[in-house]
Amino acid sequence: DVKVTQSSRYLVKRTGEKVFLECVQDMDHENMFWYRQDPGLGLRLIYFSYDVKMKEKGDIPEGYSVSREKKERFSLILESASTNQTSMYLCASSFYFSVEGAGGYTFGSGTRLTVV
Amino acid sequence: AQSVAQPEDQVNVAEGNPLTVKCTYSVSGNPYLFWYVQYPNRGLQFLLKYITGDNLVKGSYGFEAEFNKSQTSFHLKKPSALVSDSALYFCAVRVHLSGGYQKVTFGTGTKLQVIP
Repeated sequence: DVKVTQSSRYLVKRTGEKVFLECVQDMDHENMFWYRQDPGLGLRLIYFSYDVKMKEKGDIPEGYSVSREKKERFSLILESASTNQTSMYLCASSFYFSVEGAGGYTFGSGTRLTVV
Repeated sequence: AQSVAQPEDQVNVAEGNPLTVKCTYSVSGNPYLFWYVQYPNRGLQFLLKYITGDNLVKGSYGFEAEFNKSQTSFHLKKPSALVSDSALYFCAVRVHLSGGYQKVTFGTGTKLQVIP
């Protein structure tokens, strides 16, 4: 069964901490994405990557960075966590530019991050 | 801006009745449209997509969606609702970015509550 695995289901961090959220996929997908999900706002794209060492800003990149050193792993970094970054974070992956890939996202189960 | 809208935050339906979850879109060119479902404490799961062809698209768990170009809508439907269908539903559209890249933009979500 194909999978996108996010390393933590729940995290509690303090304001100002550097936070790493890890995502690993075993489907050999080229595309990987980080979204945050907030009530009433749906899913908003933070960053995405179409290849190793490649990254593109999404709609709300401020306060975040990413790293993709290997094809299967896409990390989201909160450089200095703030309370307004408390949210559910979802990682997704898909094939590159195919019709299937354009919509066939596979999502991880999410990481609920609380910044106190 | 290319986007999708889900006008209802919540839809309530009695078990056994037909259900409709509404979605309208605004895109340039031909739309690629999708529906995803999210069960509590889980990531999103792909339900169905419209790329081209028949306006009625069939997907997982007995769901279907009707593409209507003149009304720019892509409503999700099921003939007979089950209590287990209670979940959060997201409509999504593929949008084109500069540089030839693509991304999927999600609506704000509609909570479906099926009442026994």
